[in-house]
Amino acid sequence: GNSVTQMEGPVTLSEEAFLTINCTYTATGYPSLFWYVQYPGEGLQLLLKATKADDKGSNKGFEATYRKETTSFHLEKGSVQVSDSAVYFCATPGYSSASKIIFGSGTRLSIRP
Amino acid sequence: DGGITQSPKYLFRKEGQNVTLSCEQNLNHDAMYWYRQDPGQGLRLIYYSQIVNDFQKGDIAEGYSVSREKKESFPLTVTSAQKNPTAFYLCASSDGAGGNQPQHFGDGTRLSIL
Repeated sequence: GNSVTQMEGPVTLSEEAFLTINCTYTATGYPSLFWYVQYPGEGLQLLLKATKADDKGSNKGFEATYRKETTSFHLEKGSVQVSDSAVYFCATPGYSSASKIIFGSGTRLSIRP
Repeated sequence: DGGITQSPKYLFRKEGQNVTLSCEQNLNHDAMYWYRQDPGQGLRLIYYSQIVNDFQKGDIAEGYSVSREKKESFPLTVTSAQKNPTAFYLCASSDGAGGNQPQHFGDGTRLSIL
């Protein structure tokens, strides 16, 4: 089945620093890829998605490009803020015949003022 | 606004007791899911349902049960057979079949043992 592997955290950055959180996938075909964000004490929210190779998803200053050559979907942001402190999950469908989504283990991001 | 409502936000279970977590959605989604999240860890799938009156076991179904009698409701029962139930429980839904649809999440229920 499909799977994702994301960089382990925690990641600690200063405000206005550049952010990259790595995610690589293993999949049959070219499934959709997602990034979700979880703020403390809350559920997950969809941050961005890409549905096919070379697509770029973007939202709230975050971007990720679906790269089939490197089987990657790295999350980037040019200038992080304290409010970006959260846990970020990379995800992909389990397999095409079911509705399951496979989530990565999550990367905790902390931003220092 | 459409969304997913989980209740209660906090729940305490006594030894030998079954407890039921509520999940209601008004997004008209066909598929619904239950996940368990332990501190500092990712999500593990407990059960999912793609249509009313049908559901499938996920990766950690032992000690849990569900029902899907209505499209908008997918309650989870944590039975006394679940020996380590303390965790954060998340309910989600998605539109249509296939994992290419993003999932929408509730705000979770935190279950603890008394």
